[in-house]
Amino acid sequence: DGGITQSPKYLFRKEGQNVTLSCEQNLNHDAMYWYRQDPGQGLRLIYYSQIVNDFQKGDIAEGYSVSREKKESFPLTVTSAQKNPTAFYLCASSISGEQYFGPGTRLTVT
Amino acid sequence: QQPVQSPQAVILREGEDAVINCSSSKALYSVHWYRQKHGEAPVFLMILLKGGEQKGHEKISASFNEKKQQSSLYLTASQLSYSGTYFCGTEIVAGGTSYGKLTFGQGTILTVHP
Repeated sequence: DGGITQSPKYLFRKEGQNVTLSCEQNLNHDAMYWYRQDPGQGLRLIYYSQIVNDFQKGDIAEGYSVSREKKESFPLTVTSAQKNPTAFYLCASSISGEQYFGPGTRLTVT
Repeated sequence: QQPVQSPQAVILREGEDAVINCSSSKALYSVHWYRQKHGEAPVFLMILLKGGEQKGHEKISASFNEKKQQSSLYLTASQLSYSGTYFCGTEIVAGGTSYGKLTFGQGTILTVHP
């Protein structure tokens, strides 16, 4: 079955720690995206990548970093510099403009 | 610039119709519509490209008025399964090239009661 997987579903971290969220797709999509969603709000773009070894900052990239070494994988690192990291993080991939989302990772930082 | 959705919330009885609007202050290349159930990932509904086309998906259809920089999502004869939060995502014109960079509205909460 083709799809997008994100792991883990729930993640808890202490303040000051970096944490990496996983995103893998086997849809053979070139483009991949990371969004953040806060309660009662829409999705905000963190980073996106149109092709392997290339990525661009989205609207709220500060405190985050990504890599795109393989077509299938687009991990997101939430660094200690991110002031409010607690949120629901969604990864997506796209083809022909249609974006398909993974199940998300709910990150809680205390 | 985030697109503005209206209304913020809609409550319907099964079988009733609803319209959700999405407006942008910038020229749009495309408008995307998604539905999200509580605690789940958004699900793609449809994409409309500039050209003023209208698309349909069973009883859910949408239009895109390029001149007004607006899109509307039409839900007819609503079903209980239509409940959720609807988001529009807009992609602005960028030299005729699509980069797939979407900006999402704040969402419209749709509740369908039996």
